[in-house]
Amino acid sequence: QSALTQPASVSGSPGQSITISCTGTSSDVGGYNYVSWYQQHPGKAPKLMIYEVSNRPSGVSNRFSGSKSGNTASLTISGLQAEDEADYYCSSYTSSTTWVFGGGTKLTVL
Amino acid sequence: EVQLVESGGGLVQPGGSLRLSCAASGFSFSTYWMHWVRQAPGKGLVWVSRINSDGSSTSYADSVKGRFTISRDNAKNTLYLQMSSLRAEDTAVYYCGRGRYYGLDYWGQGTLVTVSS
Repeated sequence: QSALTQPASVSGSPGQSITISCTGTSSDVGGYNYVSWYQQHPGKAPKLMIYEVSNRPSGVSNRFSGSKSGNTASLTISGLQAEDEADYYCSSYTSSTTWVFGGGTKLTVL
Repeated sequence: EVQLVESGGGLVQPGGSLRLSCAASGFSFSTYWMHWVRQAPGKGLVWVSRINSDGSSTSYADSVKGRFTISRDNAKNTLYLQMSSLRAEDTAVYYCGRGRYYGLDYWGQGTLVTVSS
């Protein structure tokens, strides 16, 4: 149950686009279309932003999009806004019928 | 409105036990899988355990298997996490979450568990 691999930090200027990667194995990310992405602001509970690789829950801005290729999933945020500054976590269902999170990525809006 | 409210956290000595609760409201609790996820201070999210809708199936992270037990009381709309043989590394905020789309679509605000002598 090794954590999925995410970059520790990414940054971008308002209006730009950024992409956060999430690398796993064929036993998790690569084996299922069950990758989720969460946003967490300091001191707050996580919020679901993307589910099943590329689907947005109701109420989540269409500036957020997800994709997957092989064992790597990606979250793209377009038109960066100051309120997007937060920690982002990916998660995947695994072949062991468990779930695994990534280590998290701190997004800084410059 | 979906609400999940955790309780039961606190300070416990190494080797001790604690039971966390998660009171659910605003949705049909008995039809959803539920999860526990924890976050050590300043660290990332770590999945802990999951239970299916009727409580007949559970799964655990290797780090807690044999020490933690997840359960639910659908009549009381409440999820539980019984924790025993607690270690310093179990210190974390524990979140309960509603399972949907093989993810967690709603989260509680968390309850802090501190394991220390």
